[in-house]
Amino acid sequence: EPEVTQTPSHQVTQMGQEVILRCVPISNHLYFYWYRQILGQKVEFLVSFYNNEISEKSEIFDDQFSVERPDGSNFTLKIRSTKLEDSAMYFCASSGTYNEQFFGPGTRLTVL
Amino acid sequence: LAKTTQPISMDSYEGQEVNITCSHNNIATNDYITWYQQFPSQGPRFIIQGYKTKVTNEVASLFIPADRKSSTLSLPRVSLSDTAVYYCLVGYMEYGNKLVFGAGTILRVKS
Repeated sequence: EPEVTQTPSHQVTQMGQEVILRCVPISNHLYFYWYRQILGQKVEFLVSFYNNEISEKSEIFDDQFSVERPDGSNFTLKIRSTKLEDSAMYFCASSGTYNEQFFGPGTRLTVL
Repeated sequence: LAKTTQPISMDSYEGQEVNITCSHNNIATNDYITWYQQFPSQGPRFIIQGYKTKVTNEVASLFIPADRKSSTLSLPRVSLSDTAVYYCLVGYMEYGNKLVFGAGTILRVKS
């Protein structure tokens, strides 16, 4: 069964550093998303991406965040200058023509 | 997006049927009802989606009354591995739409 993969599984970084979280969505999917979940809290939408551009973003997704689909398979989330409050699980998801979203296993980001 | 209300937590025993009810009084005509499951340290996973009446798949059933102001996710004969958080989402499920998660219901299955 096809699945969404994410790397790394755990990323530790110093405050102010840039991080790039990587995702490989399901190959024939057209819509891509990033969500995050702070420990013990609910899953929060960050951004959706379609046809090589952002289709929607939340207020969390400020200028420190960016997304890119650098090639035909990868989908990345970049945080330019990490803050302590960026520590969370980051989930990538993708969906096809039917809006069942498939989530990856997540990347745990720890900002020290 | 319609506001949803579901119990914070539920306890059950292996082999029992579990019903989790979600209230969504402000559901709009075009809204669908979707349930996701999340295990600790994993991404949410789609369980079932419906618009009205009853929907059944290999893992669950979804009951939606005629007024659509609530819905019930039914898990038959739960096992320990069904211990997870269950989220009720209500919204117009157009392709590419974001998912808006609430706090969910923590289901604990005991032996």
